[in-house]
Amino acid sequence: GENVEQHPSTLSVQEGDSAVIKCTYSDSASNYFPWYKQELGKRPQLIIDIRSNVGEKKDQRIAVTLNKTAKHFSLHITETQPEDSAVYFCAAINQLIWGAGTKLIIKP
Amino acid sequence: NAGVTQTPKFRILKIGQSMTLQCTQDMNHNYMYWYRQDPGMGLKLIYYSVGAGITDKGEVPNGYNVSRSTTEDFPLRLELAAPSQTSVYFCASSYSYGSYEQYFGPGTRLTVT
Repeated sequence: GENVEQHPSTLSVQEGDSAVIKCTYSDSASNYFPWYKQELGKRPQLIIDIRSNVGEKKDQRIAVTLNKTAKHFSLHITETQPEDSAVYFCAAINQLIWGAGTKLIIKP
Repeated sequence: NAGVTQTPKFRILKIGQSMTLQCTQDMNHNYMYWYRQDPGMGLKLIYYSVGAGITDKGEVPNGYNVSRSTTEDFPLRLELAAPSQTSVYFCASSYSYGSYEQYFGPGTRLTVT
């Protein structure tokens, strides 16, 4: 069946450093790739998304890159801050399949 | 706008009991979704709906039922609750299907003992 693989499951970085989370999907027909952030005890919220006709999208300190040939897309967070600590999820296949999540820990 | 609201916030069920989780949205979205999130895990789609009267199964539909009689409401029914259904349940809605942001409710934490 269709699947979305997300890595790593946990990522610990020093405050101010960059973080990269990667998702790989199986369905080549997927054309929308969102990233959601879920803070502890809260609901998931969209932070950035990209459509298949674009290779990269930036919004201040966060960016998403897409490689359709290799069927993977990545979330990049630069100059990480304590408030970036959360679980991040990717989704694909019309958002019907979600990655398992990455717990991002920002060390002071 | 209240967005997506869910009731109850918490519930403890005994094995074999049934209950309905309520979900309402006031954004006039046609698309609505139910997910479950087990501790430390990702989101698994249970059911989704593309409009009133139309529902479809997601990844993990067994043990659940849904209905969609209005645009605003999308209740999730658990019949014969089992410990494996202990989870946090999120309802979400979106303007359209696939490539649009999903707006999530605050979640319902369900424990089956």
